[in-house]
Amino acid sequence: QKEVEQNSGPLSVPEGAIASLNCTYSDRGSQSFFWYRQYSGKSPELIMFIYSNGDKEDGRFTAQLNKASQYVSLLIRDSQPSDSATYLCAVRGPNAGKSTFGDGTTLTVKP
Amino acid sequence: NAGVTQTPKFQVLKTGQSMTLQCAQDMNHNSMYWYRQDPGMGLRLIYYSASEGTTDKGEVPNGYNVSRLNKREFSLRLESAAPSQTSVYFCASKFRDYEQYFGPGTRLTVT
Repeated sequence: QKEVEQNSGPLSVPEGAIASLNCTYSDRGSQSFFWYRQYSGKSPELIMFIYSNGDKEDGRFTAQLNKASQYVSLLIRDSQPSDSATYLCAVRGPNAGKSTFGDGTTLTVKP
Repeated sequence: NAGVTQTPKFQVLKTGQSMTLQCAQDMNHNSMYWYRQDPGMGLRLIYYSASEGTTDKGEVPNGYNVSRLNKREFSLRLESAAPSQTSVYFCASKFRDYEQYFGPGTRLTVT
């Protein structure tokens, strides 16, 4: 079992829809959770981070964390073609030095 | 601020050649990282440095060496390149438990 698993995708949604990206992790001691967006040929950039159980909202983005189920998700409301990218989930354990990344989910938003 | 810079942007090596990838950050971050990203995959940690003077192995350290030259600079060396090291290499840095900032990447091809 991989330490961090994401929907393999690709995921395609129409413009204006909600895109839901999921991530599960195996280390129960994980404490910090990050979502990065990576456009093709570019480097990852942070979208959201979440440390506590529950929801965290920032504009059109909502991160949801359920530590009991070892599950973290990213919801993108009112999806735009510019949201088309690969989304990487990263999980950081008690040793705050290292993060483990999932393989990413590629999202395409169709006009 | 330039953030995280990497040189070179592109490199082609023959099997057995050596090279050093350079990374520098101007954000006064303590921690620095080297990742590789293969097509369709997430980021795999090669080596990291939690602070100046320390380095630790990540998931895939074989065939690589690193040097944390000072707080700003963290280099990655391939002593004898192999085709399996063809990849995109990203350097990143972070402050404490906050998010990582990534450089633009180096695209390396080993023939």
